[in-house]
Amino acid sequence: DAKTTQPPSMDCAEGRAANLPCNHSTISGNEYVYWYRQIHSQGPQYIIHGLKNNETNEMASLIITEDRKSSTLILPHATLRDTAVYYCIVRSSNAGKSTFGDGTTLTVKP
Amino acid sequence: SQTIHQWPATLVQPVGSPLSLECTVEGTSNPNLYWYRQAAGRGLQLLFYSVGIGQISSEVPQNLSASRPQDRQFILSSKKLLLSDSGFYLCAWSQFSNQPQHFGDGTRLSIL
Repeated sequence: DAKTTQPPSMDCAEGRAANLPCNHSTISGNEYVYWYRQIHSQGPQYIIHGLKNNETNEMASLIITEDRKSSTLILPHATLRDTAVYYCIVRSSNAGKSTFGDGTTLTVKP
Repeated sequence: SQTIHQWPATLVQPVGSPLSLECTVEGTSNPNLYWYRQAAGRGLQLLFYSVGIGQISSEVPQNLSASRPQDRQFILSSKKLLLSDSGFYLCAWSQFSNQPQHFGDGTRLSIL
């Protein structure tokens, strides 16, 4: 599975959009980009995933660059409850495994 | 709907003692199952995954083992715990390899 690179921390004002970047320059053609978040002392929660098209669900939007070497998770209107560690991972559709890096700690401030 | 259960939530064990952590999934059949460990302030390290009963793949050499005696049951074990086995242990499932993983609430293991 390809390795991902994320900034260690970010701040966002409550009500504003939070844009979390992820680099995955070694991603291969059959690997999906997944985003999870983990609130302190809980298990990670799935947010969204995509292959090459942009995706949107009730939680967030995922923007994947045309060359697929990077992506951005967008929380359109961040709330205090969105404060968490956000993990970007890439997974092959042929393998059952994922590697979680250290993620980005997002702090939403009032 | 599907649910995943892990227990216990916290565990304190002496060095050299055995370990058994259990994870069960409800509401699905033949899921992929995973055990992860997380050190404080770090990401998740995949320890084991299973695509079916009796089928276990180990990702890192270690003092732990895993078993899948039933379709929706995944057990993490050790015969003799080491101090380095301390951490937050998470079980997860997915329906297929290319589907999202869903995590349990984890077990916080402290070795004294």
